[in-house]
Amino acid sequence: DAGVIQSPRHEVTEMGQEVTLRCKPISGHNSLFWYRQTMMRGLELLIYFNNNVPIDDSGMPEDRFSAKMPNASFSTLKIQPSEPRDSAVYFCASRTRSHEQFFGPGTRLTVL
Amino acid sequence: ELKVEQNPLFLSMQEGKNYTIYCNYSTTSDRLYWYRQDPGKSLESLFVLLSNGAVKQEGRLMASLDTKARLSTLHITAAVHDLSATYFCAVHLPNFGNEKLTFGTGTRLTIIP
Repeated sequence: DAGVIQSPRHEVTEMGQEVTLRCKPISGHNSLFWYRQTMMRGLELLIYFNNNVPIDDSGMPEDRFSAKMPNASFSTLKIQPSEPRDSAVYFCASRTRSHEQFFGPGTRLTVL
Repeated sequence: ELKVEQNPLFLSMQEGKNYTIYCNYSTTSDRLYWYRQDPGKSLESLFVLLSNGAVKQEGRLMASLDTKARLSTLHITAAVHDLSATYFCAVHLPNFGNEKLTFGTGTRLTIIP
């Protein structure tokens, strides 16, 4: 079992550029979550999907952020345009039917 | 709005000692999680507590849940250096169909030889 896979692991970009983060959940998990972690705000849920359908996007900061899950094995989180305050570690997690969430290794995003 | 508070935020303890981390939450919950995070790493699931009075143990760590007091504890027995990490609790509200978790601020634990 490869676990949750995220790419890229590190991303450095300039303000105003588009950033796309990718996630492959664990096979068979039916829920997928995107989190953001910063020193100031801690760990925040941005959005989550159940059976590829967005269920709760109340944590998405603003319209610059969008997320998709076109199929059960792939999701993207896009930021357009990116800003320095978006710098954070972005985690993807997937969940089993027994409620346990497994986190990916994260993407460390730096927006200059 | 659900609030999840952990204390202490920082904890330094000597090897071999026992200590407890506390997680308080503000509204009724039906599920509580504990995670461990090493510096620069991802979160590792430790325990999922599903009912009042639930107790789970793994090695030197034991977690318990008191839903009436809205309190969970993570007890560390005879600490060893490799337990140094940040520990998070996360709370789920009993809202059918919504799997959102709210995380505490974390407790940074440092075990001193």
